[in-house]
Amino acid sequence: GQSLEQPSEVTAVEGAIVQINCTYQTSGFYGLSWYQQHDGGAPTFLSYNALDGLEETGRFSSFLSRSDSYGYLLLQELQMKDSASYFCAPVNDYKLSFGAGTTVTVRA
Amino acid sequence: NAGVTQTPKFQVLKTGQSMTLQCAQDMNHEYMSWYRQDPGMGLRLIHYSVGAGITDQGEVPNGYNVSRSTTEDFPLRLLSAAPSQTSVYFCASCLGLAANNEQFFGPGTRLTVL
Repeated sequence: GQSLEQPSEVTAVEGAIVQINCTYQTSGFYGLSWYQQHDGGAPTFLSYNALDGLEETGRFSSFLSRSDSYGYLLLQELQMKDSASYFCAPVNDYKLSFGAGTTVTVRA
Repeated sequence: NAGVTQTPKFQVLKTGQSMTLQCAQDMNHEYMSWYRQDPGMGLRLIHYSVGAGITDQGEVPNGYNVSRSTTEDFPLRLLSAAPSQTSVYFCASCLGLAANNEQFFGPGTRLTVL
């Protein structure tokens, strides 16, 4: 079967660094995506790791270890606007699977 | 480019009614999909299509039909609405899941079934 685990909530202060871990079990794995969703809005794409290693895009970085079925999203220099839900989403067999997501709350 | 558009934005149905949620994209994307999102949960895949004339079931297909007669359009039909189908429905498209996998989501349709 398929399973996906990520923390349900994280709270941090402005300027801090937050790491959201994601472990998955899935067949036909292609890569790992990350999406951000502000309350009530459409999810927006943050990053995609097809290969092991770190991908950096501005303040956000994403990491994948295929052998460990593990990835993480690193949010640096947190800003209030980063308060949102973050979803890791393994891509497998032409399907994207979303977990329940991690709610990140940024405090002043 | 309008990106991915969805209509209607809001809809209230009575149990047993049928309706079609519309989704269109103008990016010439081959891959399109429908998700539903219930409060406090992630998105669950209903149906997807890898190109015109090709559709397949996702995680929660029961009670929904889709068709893909053109690259641009991917409507979702609720056959006989039930209260359990009260949800927010998102349509998404991308070039292909073997590519960089950036899926573009529409603004969503908020459906209530009474």
